[in-house]
Amino acid sequence: QKEVEQDPGPLSVPEGAIVSLNCTYSNSAFQYFMWYRQYSRKGPELLMYTYSSGNKEDGRFTAQVDKSSKYISLFIRDSQPSDSATYLCAMSLASGGSYIPTFGRGTSLIVHP
Amino acid sequence: DAGVTQSPTHLIKTRGQHVTLRCSPISGHKSVSWYQQVLGQGPQFIFQYYEKEERGRGNFPDRFSARQFPNYSSELNVNALLLGDSALYLCASSLLSTGANVLTFGAGSRLTVL
Repeated sequence: QKEVEQDPGPLSVPEGAIVSLNCTYSNSAFQYFMWYRQYSRKGPELLMYTYSSGNKEDGRFTAQVDKSSKYISLFIRDSQPSDSATYLCAMSLASGGSYIPTFGRGTSLIVHP
Repeated sequence: DAGVTQSPTHLIKTRGQHVTLRCSPISGHKSVSWYQQVLGQGPQFIFQYYEKEERGRGNFPDRFSARQFPNYSSELNVNALLLGDSALYLCASSLLSTGANVLTFGAGSRLTVL
């Protein structure tokens, strides 16, 4: 079992839809949870990160962490064709020195006009 | 401000050859991490350096090595290339202060091994 599981998709939605992207993980010691967006032939770029449990909102994006279920989500409201990309979740420990993020395999999102 | 820069952007090698990839971090960032991303997979951690010292090593063979220079730039070296080394090699820099190790990635170096 991988430490971080993520459905690769693709997930295809119409413009304006609410998108839900999810990851599960096995290491209960993870404390930092991050979402990156990666366009084709580009490096990943950070969208948001959260510490421990709870919600965080940034514009059309909302990140949720449920540590009891070892489950994190990213919601995208009013999705746009420009949101079409691969979304990677990543998580790391909060102690131990190196804080090296472990990534999921990414979910490919296609938003069609 | 310039972001993380990587060179070369694309390269083709044959099996058994050696490759050197280079990375310049964001100004002020003292930590550099290297990741390998195979098509359809997430980035896999290879190395992390901070202040020229290795702070972490992923599950990669000894054919992979890296170093960080006094100006915080970094090189990733891969010897005796195999077909399976074909991938996008990503460099990321960070402040590595206590808290979230928020990585800023470069565009990557795409390596094809024939």
